[in-house]
Order: sequence, then structure tokens, then C-alpha cells
Amino acid sequence: DTAVSQTPKYLVTQMGNDKSIKCEQNLGHDTMYWYKQDSKKFLKIMFSYNNKELIINETVPNRFSPKSPDKAHLNLHINSLELGDSAVYFCASSPSTGMGDEKLFFGSGTQLSVL
Amino acid sequence: GQNIDQPTEMTATEGAIVQINCTYQTSGFNGLFWYQQHAGEAPTFLSYNVLDGLEEKGRFSSFLSRSKGYSYLLLKELQMKDSASYLCAVRDPGNTDKLIFGTGTRLQVFP
Repeated sequence: DTAVSQTPKYLVTQMGNDKSIKCEQNLGHDTMYWYKQDSKKFLKIMFSYNNKELIINETVPNRFSPKSPDKAHLNLHINSLELGDSAVYFCASSPSTGMGDEKLFFGSGTQLSVL
Repeated sequence: GQNIDQPTEMTATEGAIVQINCTYQTSGFNGLFWYQQHAGEAPTFLSYNVLDGLEEKGRFSSFLSRSKGYSYLLLKELQMKDSASYLCAVRDPGNTDKLIFGTGTRLQVFP
């Protein structure tokens, strides 16, 4: 069973469109994230949710709206797509051990190409 | 602000040992991670250091010196499958839910 699964794996769309990426984790983790990896492979956090509550919003344009219907799901909706949004988007989850050693479990990524 | 530096690319030969360095400048320290990312795949966890010293896990070891803001990942007995990017990340001292990643070091292993 896939631990963190996100769909679709590839998304090719025109500028100005609205698109969504879905993510689900079956690890029972409390915290979920969205990360963006640009063409230079720099991985940067966008959002994190803990038990459906928004914890981190990293100065992401408000065209990006995460939604967490329950703690196992964190979806990402993007309005009015721009060329600069082209990147690989990774969903991730982590347990809340409180020890500081919580590692991230990543989904396989969604490669978004805006034409 | 927070800053993490790693070499962009390294090459090594199968069977050899390679050391990938990472230096960080942060306003505090809450732990350092290494992740491996094969091309086109998701990053996967390799190691975690929060105290000074060496953590060994099979062919991979990670070292931390908090006073120097320095870590390295040591890969022994290199195999072709070790060709990947290696990402150093530190936990944001102001927000422990947040990992700050370096740009990664792309390692190519040649026969």
C-alpha cells in the first residue's frame, strides 16, 4: 500500500486555468505538507496542516488554496495558473512524536507544466 | 535568515567513499536531516542529527558539529544506485514544523 499518494502525477495545462492536486496518506500522521520543487531542484515548503488546521503558510500567492477535509487528506487548488507555477509539487506527511526527529514521508510528486 | 549551502555536483567511482558537506547559518538549531532523491522520484529520509557526532547506518553515516554549523554525509562502498541528489535540511528554530532545505548535491557514481 502506498503511504502518501498524490494525483495526478503529471498535469499539463494552459495559463489562466484552475487545477487541483489531491493527496492522501494512510500512515495515521497528524501533519501534512505541500512542498514545491523548482527547476533547480530547490525544495521549499508552501503549507502545513496539523489535524486539519493550517499551521504554516509560507507567503504563497493566494491563488494557491490548500484544503484538508480530514487529517488523512490535503488537497491543493491553484487558480489562474501562471507560467512560473510550473514545478514539481510534493505532498508529505509526518508523525507528531514531539521529539524533533519527525521525518517527512513524501508522495511521488506532481509535475505541473503551465503552457 | 536561514541559509544552507551544499556543493551543487559531485562525482565518484563505484566502490569509493564520498563525503557531501553541508553548512548552515540559522538563528538557532533544532536538528538536521539528510534526504536522498533519485531523479524523478520523491525524497526519502536518510538520517537525522541533533547532537554533535557521527550517526552510522550501514554504508551511510552523517556527522554534525553544531558549533561549526556543519554536517556531512559519508557514503561508503559506493554503488551505481547511489547516483542521486542528496538534500541537507535543517528544522526552522522558529517553527519546528518547517524544514528548510538546501539546494541539494547531485552525485554521479561512475563504474
